[in-house]
Amino acid sequence: KQEVTQIPAALSVPEGENLVLNCSFTDSAIYNLQWFRQDPGKGLTSLLLIQSSQREQTSGRLNASLDKSSGRSTLYIAASQPGDSATYLCAVSPPNAGGTSYGKLTFGQGTILTVHP
Amino acid sequence: EAGVAQSPRYKIIEKRQSVAFWCNPISGHATLYWYQQILGQGPKLLIQFQNNGVVDDSQLPKDRFSAERLKGVDSTLKIQPAKLEDSAVYLCASSPRTSGGVTGELFFGEGSRLTVL
Repeated sequence: KQEVTQIPAALSVPEGENLVLNCSFTDSAIYNLQWFRQDPGKGLTSLLLIQSSQREQTSGRLNASLDKSSGRSTLYIAASQPGDSATYLCAVSPPNAGGTSYGKLTFGQGTILTVHP
Repeated sequence: EAGVAQSPRYKIIEKRQSVAFWCNPISGHATLYWYQQILGQGPKLLIQFQNNGVVDDSQLPKDRFSAERLKGVDSTLKIQPAKLEDSAVYLCASSPRTSGGVTGELFFGEGSRLTVL
């Protein structure tokens, strides 16, 4: 059974800092890995998606890497801003058996990020 | 492009009562998911539809939960009778299919928050 762990559970940093969020998973047989952002009382917003054959993806100040063999991913946020404050969730999908499994995500418990001015 | 729509946003009921949640996915998305997110945890998949057929409902508590997706578009999730432990946010997500393959990216609605007293 796939298990996803995120470290740290919470993180508080001053504005402007570069930071790293960690995600580990127990079964390296994955289809893809996604990082999501969740604001309080809101749904999930997809930030980055890394296919199992890829090593990293970048979007603006965000960079996510994937080391499938070691079961790890990191989300790097450059020059953090108060608007980055949210819960960050990583999720993995199982191998694409029959083209229908990719959405069966297993989530970590999230990292609560607070960026203070 | 309109996102995934869910209603109601909030619902408070007493235990043993029934409740229903509605989801309208992004236009053209064939795959629809219902996830349950208990406070402080990552979302957990309840059921997956491909068009109007169930692909996976292995984690759906079928003694009290039911879901349907008529005509392959809108979906409803029903709980009857509700228990205290059903208090959670119920998230609906949909996924596109791209030409040449499947990316596996999921798009989430804002969720329906259920409180069972």
